[in-house]
Amino acid sequence: GDSVTQMEGPVTLSEEAFLTINCTYTATGYPSLFWYVQYPGEGLQLLLKATKADDKGSNKGFEATYRKETTSFHLEKGSVQVSDSAVYFCALSDFGNEKLTFGTGTRLTIIP
Amino acid sequence: DAGVIQSPRHEVTEMGQEVTLRCKPISGHNSLFWYRQTMMRGLELLIYFNNNVPIDDSGMPEDRFSAKMPNASFSTLKIQPSEPRDSAVYFCASTGGDGNEQYFGPGTRLTVT
Repeated sequence: GDSVTQMEGPVTLSEEAFLTINCTYTATGYPSLFWYVQYPGEGLQLLLKATKADDKGSNKGFEATYRKETTSFHLEKGSVQVSDSAVYFCALSDFGNEKLTFGTGTRLTIIP
Repeated sequence: DAGVIQSPRHEVTEMGQEVTLRCKPISGHNSLFWYRQTMMRGLELLIYFNNNVPIDDSGMPEDRFSAKMPNASFSTLKIQPSEPRDSAVYFCASTGGDGNEQYFGPGTRLTVT
């Protein structure tokens, strides 16, 4: 079945550091890929997505590129801010299927 | 739009009591999902509905859990009887099929003592 494996946390970085959170997936079809973010005390919200190979999703300075050859969708940001502290979830949905398969989440803490 | 609305936001109850969580999806969305989030198990899909019909309830942990969607604008998740291990944050999400983006509610934090 489908699965998502993402980097174990927690991750702690200093402000303005470069961020990478790794995500790899296993899927039987041609999935769409997502990054969701969960701020403290809130529900998940979509950060970015990509629907086909080589697509790059981007939002709020975050980027992720759909790499079919390595089955990966790593999240990156060039310079993190304290306000980026949150839990980040990688997810996929198979073509024609509304269900999302989530990774376990990576807690990110940015220190000033 | 107000987004997905969940109530109550917090619920504290004693073991053995019935608990009902409520969700109002975004107007026009035709699929609704119930999730449970705990530190130990992360985010788990319990059940999802499409056009008010349950499509996949394989994540419902046991018969104590039941979910209904009587119309397009309302769903309930009921636990009876509740147990301390049911303590978690329960999220409802809806989607209108626009690229499968799911919109999450703020969650209900359930504590069973």
